[in-house]
Amino acid sequence: DGGITQSPKYLFRKEGQNVTLSCEQNLNHDAMYWYRQDPGQGLRLIYYSQIVNDFQKGDIAEGYSVSREKKESFPLTVTSAQKNPTAFYLCASSISQTNEQYFGPGTRLTVT
Amino acid sequence: DQQVKQNSPSLSVQEGRISILNCDYTNSMFDYFLWYKKYPAEGPTFLISISSIKDKNEDGRFTVFLNKSAKHLSLHIVPSQPGDSAVYFCAAIPSSGSARQLTFGSGTQLTVLP
Repeated sequence: DGGITQSPKYLFRKEGQNVTLSCEQNLNHDAMYWYRQDPGQGLRLIYYSQIVNDFQKGDIAEGYSVSREKKESFPLTVTSAQKNPTAFYLCASSISQTNEQYFGPGTRLTVT
Repeated sequence: DQQVKQNSPSLSVQEGRISILNCDYTNSMFDYFLWYKKYPAEGPTFLISISSIKDKNEDGRFTVFLNKSAKHLSLHIVPSQPGDSAVYFCAAIPSSGSARQLTFGSGTQLTVLP
């Protein structure tokens, strides 16, 4: 059945290490997005991609990087330059010309 | 500067009664609004949306009302059920721009008491 998968569900890293979060979708959606959620806050956009091999910075892109080599995949790398990386990370996708975004189950990243 | 505001961080309602969740926005360019429901440690799920050309959209127990002049929308859930207990986010999309970027509110935790 179609959907968005994110792995792993929980991830622990030491400070100073880069870490890559996986996001895969089999919905044939053109657009994909990465958000982070912090306690008591809404979702904030990190990066988005409308088509393969193209992506744009969102509101809080500093310290993150992405790639979009395949339509189905949009991995997010949290680099050591991200000052507060501990958060809940959500990936989403949408058919480019419609409005509803569909979310994956999320990855909780803890950096100590 | 929060463009989408949910001023009530929490709401408790008795089972069977109506739940009303509110959302205000400041950007007059927003023309499409969505409500998402989120359980802990899960991704948000889309609930219902409304275009700015309408003032009401209904889907089963869920109804969204839009008051453009007041820049206010609300989600009504009736009757409320214990399974509705979750965080509800409103979100908005502008009419122009290079991408369908959602701007989210900070969420309202709804608790439906049995």
